[in-house]
Amino acid sequence: NAGVTQTPKFQVLKTGQSMTLQCAQDMNHEYMSWYRQDPGMGLRLIHYSVGAGITDQGEVPNGYNVSRSTTEDFPLRLLSAAPSQTSVYFCASSYSGTGEEQFFGPGTRLTVL
Amino acid sequence: GENVEQHPSTLSVQEGDSAVIKCTYSDSASNYFPWYKQELGKRPQLIIDIRSNVGEKKDQRIAVTLNKTAKHFSLHITETQPEDSAVYFCAARAGGFQKLVFGTGTRLLVSP
Repeated sequence: NAGVTQTPKFQVLKTGQSMTLQCAQDMNHEYMSWYRQDPGMGLRLIHYSVGAGITDQGEVPNGYNVSRSTTEDFPLRLLSAAPSQTSVYFCASSYSGTGEEQFFGPGTRLTVL
Repeated sequence: GENVEQHPSTLSVQEGDSAVIKCTYSDSASNYFPWYKQELGKRPQLIIDIRSNVGEKKDQRIAVTLNKTAKHFSLHITETQPEDSAVYFCAARAGGFQKLVFGTGTRLLVSP
């Protein structure tokens, strides 16, 4: 199993550009989440999904969209990038929502100029 | 919503010493408390977790304690080693599924 994979590893955008961060897992996990990690602020939940076709907002959803058309994939879309979105983005998945280990992807480091 | 505070933000110890990291949470309904370790440039990885029906859990040199009345939980690392150097995050699950709320992290440095 590859676990949770993310692409790209690094990305530089100009203000106003859009892009999609890809996340995939091959563990047949129902639950997937996106976090952003900023210095001194820990990991903050952006959006999450409890299964294909179901998504909901987390703590910091503004400026981001998600969709979940399959169990395996959970892409994160930046609609119009802003410098405040410069961060490291982690995707995570878990088997169920009853309090089990979340497996994190390797992260995407995004810089918005 | 849930709020998790973590202290200290940095912790320096000598190899062999013990290290303690403390977290408090606000939502009395929280029932799952994991700890993640993140090495420099790597992804967070679960090292231990505890549920609200248990007061303490140990795994070799690592232990976690939970005080539901005071709404705080702590990570204890004994006989620290240089490879324990990393950032440690506590988290609490606030209701529903997997809405983990993380603390701001503790950078642990273990000097040989």
